[in-house]
Amino acid sequence: EPEVTQTPSHQVTQMGQEVILRCVPISNHLYFYWYRQILGQKVEFLVSFYNNEISEKSEIFDDQFSVERPDGSNFTLKIRSTKLEDSAMYFCARGLAGGPETGELFFGEGSRLTVL
Amino acid sequence: GESVGLHLPTLSVQEGDNSIINCAYSNSASDYFIWYKQESGKGPQFIIDIRSNMDKRQGQRVTVLLNKTVKHLSLQIAATQPGDSAVYFCAENTGSSYKLIFGSGTRLLVRP
Repeated sequence: EPEVTQTPSHQVTQMGQEVILRCVPISNHLYFYWYRQILGQKVEFLVSFYNNEISEKSEIFDDQFSVERPDGSNFTLKIRSTKLEDSAMYFCARGLAGGPETGELFFGEGSRLTVL
Repeated sequence: GESVGLHLPTLSVQEGDNSIINCAYSNSASDYFIWYKQESGKGPQFIIDIRSNMDKRQGQRVTVLLNKTVKHLSLQIAATQPGDSAVYFCAENTGSSYKLIFGSGTRLLVRP
């Protein structure tokens, strides 16, 4: 199956600034996810997006975070006012065309966010 | 609560030997348990999964074993190659949107 493309690959921002991370999955898939990975740590679930709505979100995904799929193809993660602890790799993922029930997700190569 | 953890942070093996990576989990309600491989600078890559009603599943050079009695998952890699060097995460999918809960990862180093 085709890959997931993420942009930017690396973004450096000042604390308090807004950041938008983008993901281009395939438009006919229904389940999309954002995960993050702080350097040297495990991959953490942020939010799942199904049928153009948030399906589940973790405790990490607070009011500073939002997700959108504005044009039916791009899938974005917005952080409104970045904090130092938001520095991490952010991964977009999509489920298989037939559904993600087995746990097989396709991950993008990630966007590295550095908050100064 | 949900928890997936790994026993060893780093495993070093000789090229050609078999590797065994272990994982403990605590959520018995998960339907699937999965292994992912993450190479440096890349996103996690699916390796193999196993349904909760199975105890063994084989892929190409990899075998996953599930012991529900002791809530233990393992990944066996046969004839380990340099390209197998990576961090390996176990994960379980759970919840209404099949989100993945990852363990903390084991780094596999393959010695030439």
